[in-house]
Amino acid sequence: EVQLVESGGGLGQPGGSLRLSCAASGFSFSTYGMSWVRQAPGKGLEWVSTINGNSDSTYYADSVKGRFTISRDNSKNTLYLQMDSLRAEDTAVYYCARLTAGYWGQGSLVTVSS
Amino acid sequence: DIQMTQSPSAMSASVGDRVTITCRASQGIANSLAWFQQKPGKVPKRLIYTASSLQSGVPSRFSGSGSGTEFTLTISSLQPEDFATYYCLQHNSYPYTFGQGTKLEIK
Repeated sequence: EVQLVESGGGLGQPGGSLRLSCAASGFSFSTYGMSWVRQAPGKGLEWVSTINGNSDSTYYADSVKGRFTISRDNSKNTLYLQMDSLRAEDTAVYYCARLTAGYWGQGSLVTVSS
Repeated sequence: DIQMTQSPSAMSASVGDRVTITCRASQGIANSLAWFQQKPGKVPKRLIYTASSLQSGVPSRFSGSGSGTEFTLTISSLQPEDFATYYCLQHNSYPYTFGQGTKLEIK
């Protein structure tokens, strides 16, 4: 059974940093691209970033480019999202997903506030 | 960047109604489109992949069609558990983009 479990959310300061993690199990993690998707309170879904299986390629939404960094550790079956220079508009539930297969984690709430 | 225009943004319907939701892509995306259902406080659930393939376990009253720039999600006979928000997602090219969502409410 595929499982994706996010951790690392919480309260961050404007201009500060947070790192999200996503522990994957139930599939050959290194074979697949992985993504982060977010949803601000009461808003729609927004794709944030994707990384391919061997970390050769990364892609970002314009809204986070230069501030967020996606990475993965295939030896630990874990996906990461390093979020720097946080802004209030980054407040959202962040989902880890194997998007093109339809697998999503349960989400991790990030709140950016002073 | 590819824009996905989803319509309507909200609609009300009755149990048993046939409902159609549309997503239009600003440029061709072949069949690289998925449909998701999301209920309040829940994780999005994929219903349709590659525009018209039904996800395992999803009732057959859901169907998807289209290719290129125009896509539809149809619910043939609405059930009480179908009242939710629906999103399309294009994954043909980066940045991936979701439609704005369609909130389906009970009439």
